[in-house]
This record gives sequence, structure tokens and C-alpha cells, in this order.
Amino acid sequence: ETGVTQTPRHLVMGMTNKKSLKCEQHLGHNAMYWYKQSAKKPLELMFVYNFKEQTENNSVPSRFSPECPNSSHLFLHLHTLQPEDSALYLCASSQDEGRGPTSYGYTFGSGTRLTVV
Amino acid sequence: SQKIEQNSEALNIQEGKTATLTCNYTNYSPAYLQWYRQDPGRGPVFLLLIRENEKEKRKERLKVTFDTTLKQSLFHITASQPADSATYLCAPPSGGYNKLIFGAGTRLAVHP
Repeated sequence: ETGVTQTPRHLVMGMTNKKSLKCEQHLGHNAMYWYKQSAKKPLELMFVYNFKEQTENNSVPSRFSPECPNSSHLFLHLHTLQPEDSALYLCASSQDEGRGPTSYGYTFGSGTRLTVV
Repeated sequence: SQKIEQNSEALNIQEGKTATLTCNYTNYSPAYLQWYRQDPGRGPVFLLLIRENEKEKRKERLKVTFDTTLKQSLFHITASQPADSATYLCAPPSGGYNKLIFGAGTRLAVHP
């Protein structure tokens, strides 16, 4: 384990379902991120949270709703998704020192493989 | 707009050789750049960070260079091993210091 735990690892959901992805970090980091990785495409940044405040929403459709109740937990609530939303959803954390990152970069979880049917 | 380019073609090399991967960026000047390794179905793993005032950074068999004039970073793996086979991603920041954007990655295959 990397210190960032994502659950579930796999999720199949219908287009009318509501589900949530969970991310938890045990590293004491103060920034958390959601990324989407579709087949043969680069990682796409979705949301950024610093000190549990959302600081970035990268034009993500409203059917994706993030929640960060504290600096250790991050959720991605999903509703009325489309088949093209099928992808690997990755959570990451880092220590934001305000003047650039530490030398340790981001720590990623193993991801949730989401399939929308 | 900011653009990151990595060679989309897979790189195939023989075990023991040096692998060199390229990352080019355009339309901005990042203060640093990170490199990650990603195995299939897993999250990326951080390898190295190089800052704009550092020409070169080393970690065991890994070496990264950062040429701000050419707007290019090179990632080298010396004495490559089959276990080094993976996709390697370069990631400079965009906007805020800690908002990383990722290249598409280059897949490396090291053959025995």
C-alpha cells in the first residue's frame, strides 16, 4: 500500500445509479486530488483540495460531485453517469508548502476501475 | 495553451542498455518537473523531481535532466532490467505550484 487507499477497486454501475468513490490518506498531507485516466489518454485533473477547501474544478460535469470532509478523506459522488465516463479514477495526495512541492511528489492510490453500463 | 509531449511510440531496448525517454513542453516555463512510473491498472509512482535551477538529478540507476532553453527533460535508466518495463510519465505543474498536468507517457519494454 502506498499510504493512499481507494475503495472500491472495481465498480460497475448503471447510468441511473448513484455511487461514491472513497479515498483515504494516512500520510498527513494537506492536499488531495482526483484524476481521471481513460484508455490511451493522459491523466486528466478533475478536482484539487487544499486544507479540505476545493481550489480547482477543471470544468468537470456536475454528475461528478467531490466532497472533502477533512484533510484525510476525499469522496467522489457519482450520479447519472454516461458510458464514456468509464475510466480509472485515481486519488492522490501531496504536501503543499505553498512555494512548491516537497521532493516527494504526489502519492497515488491504486485507483477505482469504473465501468458504466 | 500549455502542451506536454512524450513519445507515444513504445521504446523497446535490450536488458543492460540505457533507456532514454523525452518530455517536451511548450508555451510555458515550469518551475519544476516530475517523473512517474505507472504499471498497468495501477496508480503512478513518483520517481524524481527536478527544479528549473537544477540541470541534472540522479537516484540510483535513474537520471533526469532539465533544459529550460530547449524546453525539454530527458529521463535515463542505466543498466535497464526487464522489471523496469512500465509507462513513464512526465508531469510539470500548471498554474498553481501543486497542480500537476501529465504527459501521455512513454511505454518502455526491456527485453532479456
